[in-house]
Amino acid sequence: DAMVIQNPRYQVTQFGKPVTLSCSQTLNHNVMYWYQQKSSQAPKLLFHYYDKDFNNEADTPDNFQSRRPNTSFCFLDIRSPGLGDAAMYLCATSRAGNEKLFFGSGTQLSVL
Amino acid sequence: ELKVEQNPLFLSMQEEKNYTIYCNYSTTSDRLYWYRQDPGKSLESLFVLLSNGAVKQEGRLMASLDTKARLSTLHITAAVHDLSATYFCAVVPNSGYALNFGKGTSLLVTP
Repeated sequence: DAMVIQNPRYQVTQFGKPVTLSCSQTLNHNVMYWYQQKSSQAPKLLFHYYDKDFNNEADTPDNFQSRRPNTSFCFLDIRSPGLGDAAMYLCATSRAGNEKLFFGSGTQLSVL
Repeated sequence: ELKVEQNPLFLSMQEEKNYTIYCNYSTTSDRLYWYRQDPGKSLESLFVLLSNGAVKQEGRLMASLDTKARLSTLHITAAVHDLSATYFCAVVPNSGYALNFGKGTSLLVTP
């Protein structure tokens, strides 16, 4: 089945130790998004790629970076995770002109 | 700044009762989405509303959109326990294409 796949499902990292979360899609969608969702809160958009064009939300900390080497893959890099970065990270995709988002299963990040 | 407000944020209701969740937003948009989220899980798409007056129904849930009032409703009919979850509305402004979520409504259906 065409899907949005996130790995790993759970990730534990140490305070200050860089971590990378991955997302892949078989939908051939133009747009890929990264959302951060803290416990009992709404998902918050960090950034998105429209094809190769990177769009950063104004309030996304510099600690968060993203890469999209090709249409299928997108990575979220957290350069120096803090305790406040513990959250569920959701990857989503959409086809340009159709905003219905398809979400991956998420990566639950813990920072020790 | 686009604001998306849901109410109530918490809802405890008995089985077989009816209730409505409201979603107000602050910018021009005719694209609104409802999602369901179970604890520890990702988001499941429920409804896509793309025009003024749009109404969609699936089982015990019905969603509507009034773009002039900037209001969407999610109506629950004869609730059952399986509907317990958090429900999010999300809006795409006409000037953009990224989803902006409300804070979610945590629904608990009790016997």
